[in-house]
Amino acid sequence: GAVVSQHPSWVICKSGTSVKIECRSLDFQATTMFWYRQFPKQSLMLMATSNEGSKATYEQGVEKDKFLINHASLTLSTLTVTSAHPEDSSFYICSARLGGADTQYFGPGTRLTVL
Amino acid sequence: GENVEQHPSTLSVQEGDSAVIKCTYSDSASNYFPWYKQELGKRPQLIIDIRSNVGEKKDQRIAVTLNKTAKHFSLHITETQPEDSAVYFCAARFGGSGYSTLTFGKGTMLLVSP
Repeated sequence: GAVVSQHPSWVICKSGTSVKIECRSLDFQATTMFWYRQFPKQSLMLMATSNEGSKATYEQGVEKDKFLINHASLTLSTLTVTSAHPEDSSFYICSARLGGADTQYFGPGTRLTVL
Repeated sequence: GENVEQHPSTLSVQEGDSAVIKCTYSDSASNYFPWYKQELGKRPQLIIDIRSNVGEKKDQRIAVTLNKTAKHFSLHITETQPEDSAVYFCAARFGGSGYSTLTFGKGTMLLVSP
C-alpha cells in the first residue's frame, strides 16, 4: 500500500514554456501533499505544502506565481512551473501523507530539463 | 525553523561491517524522525522511523536511537551488504498537528565494498 505516482518521469522543454507535473496517491487519500526540489548531490528542499481544497503554503524563497500548485482532490496534486528557465532544471519530487499520520510517501520524481 | 545536521557526508565500509550515521536537530518540539534511503535517480524510501516517546527502534539489520536531551538521533546498519549502498537522509518533523513538515539533513552517501 501507500503508493504515490508522478507523471511525467522526465520532461525537456524550451525556456519560457510552462510544464505541469502530476502527483497521485494510488491507494490512499492524501490530505496533504508536499512538493520538493532536489538538485544533483543535494538534499530534498521543501517547496510547498498543499492541503486538499485550500491554497498551498510556500516555503520562504519559493515564488508562488512561478510554481503553481493545485490540490483539487484527495488523490491528485499538480505543480506547474511557469515560464521555465534553465535554472529551474532539477528533480521534482512529491510526497503524500494521510491526514493525522506521520509517514510521507514519495513519488518517483520528475526530471525537468529546461533548454 | 528546524535545522537538521547530518554526519558524515560520505561513509565507506567493507561488506559485513557496521555503519553509523548521526543527525542533530534544533527544535526541541520535534517529535518524529524518519530515515530515508535514496538510490541514484530514484525516490526516497522510508526505511525506519522513530517517535519522541521511544528511545530505540530496531528492524532486522537497521536500528535507530534517539536522545531527546541531546537532540540527536542515529541510524545503525549492521552486517552491511553492497545493496545497502545509497544516500541516506535523516529528517525531523517540524510543526504541530494540522501543519507539520519534514526538514531533511544533507544526506550521507554510504558505499559498501564487497
